[in-house]
Amino acid sequence: DIQMTQSPSSLSASVGDRVTITCRASQGIRNDLGWYQQKPGKAPKRLIYAASSLQSGVPLRFSGSGSGTEFTLTISSLQPEDFATYYCLQHNSYPLTFGGGTKVEIK
Amino acid sequence: EVQLVESGGGLVQPGGSLRLSCAVSGLTFSDYWMSWVRQAPGKGLEWVANMKQDGSAKNYVDSVKGRFTISRDNAKNSLYLQMNSLRAEDTAVYYCAGTRSVVDVWGQGTTVTVSS
Repeated sequence: DIQMTQSPSSLSASVGDRVTITCRASQGIRNDLGWYQQKPGKAPKRLIYAASSLQSGVPLRFSGSGSGTEFTLTISSLQPEDFATYYCLQHNSYPLTFGGGTKVEIK
Repeated sequence: EVQLVESGGGLVQPGGSLRLSCAVSGLTFSDYWMSWVRQAPGKGLEWVANMKQDGSAKNYVDSVKGRFTISRDNAKNSLYLQMNSLRAEDTAVYYCAGTRSVVDVWGQGTTVTVSS
């Protein structure tokens, strides 16, 4: 199974901050990775697909990069509505696996 | 409007069974890979199973193999998860999700609690 190691597990940031979250795959997964945002009591919402493609309707402050084993989600200027938990998901091979999540909290 | 509505969750004793359903509307269901993803209380997301558009391929996480069965009825725009031999560790919110190319849609989830 491919392990997805996500870091940090939590972070505190202020509105306007630049935030970076990383996922590392235990083996190469090309660009078969998505990033999801989940707010409490809600279903996850995909922000990024194919590692770097922005989902339709998602604000441009979100971006993704990486290929192979190292991936990054960046929020260029954190907004109040961005406080949530973020997950990566690899779909290169079965079983599909999520990272452990990053909770973004208000500083 | 796209809607995925899960149902069938509830309280069940260890060793019992439940059948989850996901009713889909607002999209061409037969075009979508469909998945079940779960989230235990206070924990992260775990992919459980998925199924190809025509039902010709199914995949499962090891922890549910032999106990859970995913199925779909394209005529009824519905996805199912038959869960047998349930364990306490199966307690979670179960989400159905559909994927087609750049589209990725999720339901709001149904809660399964396995407890005596």
